[in-house]
Amino acid sequence: QKEVEQNSGPLSVPEGAIASLNCTYSDRGSQSFFWYRQYSGKSPELIMFIYSNGDKEDGRFTAQLNKASQYVSLLIRDSQPSDSATYLCAADSGAGSYQLTFGKGTKLSVIP
Amino acid sequence: KAGVTQTPRYLIKTRGQQVTLSCSPISGHRSVSWYQQTPGQGLQFLFEYFSETQRNKGNFPGRFSGRQFSNSRSEMNVSTLELGDSALYLCASSYDRGQRDTQYFGPGTRLTVL
Repeated sequence: QKEVEQNSGPLSVPEGAIASLNCTYSDRGSQSFFWYRQYSGKSPELIMFIYSNGDKEDGRFTAQLNKASQYVSLLIRDSQPSDSATYLCAADSGAGSYQLTFGKGTKLSVIP
Repeated sequence: KAGVTQTPRYLIKTRGQQVTLSCSPISGHRSVSWYQQTPGQGLQFLFEYFSETQRNKGNFPGRFSGRQFSNSRSEMNVSTLELGDSALYLCASSYDRGQRDTQYFGPGTRLTVL
């Protein structure tokens, strides 16, 4: 069974620090990886996606992918209290499949 | 442009009943996917519809079904409700299949089964 694993947290970081969120996946066929942010009581919102090994930066967010280790991470620089949310990692099933498998999410708290 | 809308937003049903949830995608979007979110299992894929055809189905029993209309609006139905069906049901739309980088979620329907 294809799985995406995340540390459930909560992960607490002080305001201005770097938050590091990690995710591992079991399906070596997965090609595309996504990070969603979900505020309490709200629906998920896509914040980053990455397809190639290495780093991808977008503002304060950096996604990192290591396919050999089957590992994806999200770094949030200069963390703000508004970043406090649950972060969901998702992976596709490769081979043209459009189905996403989600991790259960990591709850991040940014302490002012 | 209006976002993805889902109706109703909240629903309370009793065991054994059936329920129909509706999803209207963003205008122009043709792909609709449905997900179930629970605290224990997280976000799980139910099915995907494109051009009025189910293209993908997750690992859920046959009590869960859906359809898509010619205007891309989609409905999902759950028959013979069980307590474990209590969850947030989310739909997501994208312009085309596979465009997960521009996939947007609706606000969800919170289903409670008593």
